[in-house]
Amino acid sequence: QQQVKQSPQSLIVQKGGISIINCAYENTAFDYFPWYQQFPGKGPALLIAIRPDVSEKKEGRFTISFNKSAKQFSLHIMDSQPGDSATYFCAASLPEGFQKLVFGTGTRLLVSP
Amino acid sequence: DGGITQSPKYLFRKEGQNVTLSCEQNLNHDAMYWYRQDPGQGLRLIYYSQIVNDFQKGDIAEGYSVSREKKESFPLTVTSAQKNPTAFYLCASRTSGRNEQFFGPGTRLTVL
Repeated sequence: QQQVKQSPQSLIVQKGGISIINCAYENTAFDYFPWYQQFPGKGPALLIAIRPDVSEKKEGRFTISFNKSAKQFSLHIMDSQPGDSATYFCAASLPEGFQKLVFGTGTRLLVSP
Repeated sequence: DGGITQSPKYLFRKEGQNVTLSCEQNLNHDAMYWYRQDPGQGLRLIYYSQIVNDFQKGDIAEGYSVSREKKESFPLTVTSAQKNPTAFYLCASRTSGRNEQFFGPGTRLTVL
């Protein structure tokens, strides 16, 4: 119940295209859903996050879509650029004091020029 | 510059040795975390600390130990009891009342 399932494992998108990464969860008590971007050899960087009372959040070219009834959320990268090539992780946390993050297994995105 | 620093960037350990990974933050964050990252897996929580002199085990604490003597520092010791320590170790921190966790640059530990 604490798992977050992420797909696809890898993704190749042409420059200018839309990259879509999906995550699903079981525990309806999760109340915070961040996405992290990680470049090789670096620490993850917080990209965008959403709470379950919002169905969509947009920051620049990055959008989170949230479907509470389906227990799914997704990251959309519009106008994908070669510089977006990285590994993306979704995560979820419970409303507990220490805010434990449960991570998906990651999606390696390659944007071809 | 404000941020989280981890040192060293690369660390090599012989079998049977204990090694300590450093994590320092100057963000005045209360909570600090240690995660382990293995290829093809998400990040897994090793230990966390919400306040000085207090820390709790995460999901994979066996073979690891921590201390939190100062608010800005949360070192992780990988002991010889950890059977498969080769991994990328990430430290994170968070301020009270906020969800956002921010990560350091990581330490790659390799057992020779």
